[in-house]
Amino acid sequence: AQTVTQSQPEMSVQEAETVTLSCTYDTSESDYYLFWYKQPPSRQMILVIRQEAYKQQNATENRFSVNFQKAAKSFSLKISDSQLGDAAMYFCAYRVIQGAQKLVFGQGTRLTINP
Amino acid sequence: DVKVTQSSRYLVKRTGEKVFLECVQDMDHENMFWYRQDPGLGLRLIYFSYDVKMKEKGDIPEGYSVSREKKERFSLILESASTNQTSMYLCASSLGRAGTQETQYFGPGTRLLVL
Repeated sequence: AQTVTQSQPEMSVQEAETVTLSCTYDTSESDYYLFWYKQPPSRQMILVIRQEAYKQQNATENRFSVNFQKAAKSFSLKISDSQLGDAAMYFCAYRVIQGAQKLVFGQGTRLTINP
Repeated sequence: DVKVTQSSRYLVKRTGEKVFLECVQDMDHENMFWYRQDPGLGLRLIYFSYDVKMKEKGDIPEGYSVSREKKERFSLILESASTNQTSMYLCASSLGRAGTQETQYFGPGTRLLVL
């Protein structure tokens, strides 16, 4: 069975600084998708960034980028120039390409931004 | 924008009561999902549906059932609520195109307390 592990329950960063959230996963599949979702306090979960496993190039979305290391089964999220609005729970998630489209989530990392 | 709504933000029920959690999406999505979110455990899939009247068990289906009579609506049913079902329940939907990295869109969540 696939598993996703986020080893940092909480992280904090100074506003305008850079922070990296860690995620590792376990799978026997060779092709799959990886996602980072953000859940702000009392607000809906939204997609931050996604990566196809067959792509070697790391995905980027404005201030958000990933470091995808397929051999190490690692998928970290880097947030540059942190802003107060980045404060949220961040979840790493995995999905196989074919078949059921269910997501397997990590435990989550609560990110605090210090002004 | 995709909109996923859930019938209640907060719910308090007694042990043994039958509980209905409703989810509606307005984007004609094929897939709908029910997750449970608990601190330290992330999100875990309870049930999902890929078509009207179709359902599949997720990772933690025990004590729950679902109903999908119309494409836009997916209900989660707790036949006899128990205190260990106190949790945050999140509904999600996705378009349903196989083999794509499509996004799941989440509702705001229902925080259920079973006394």
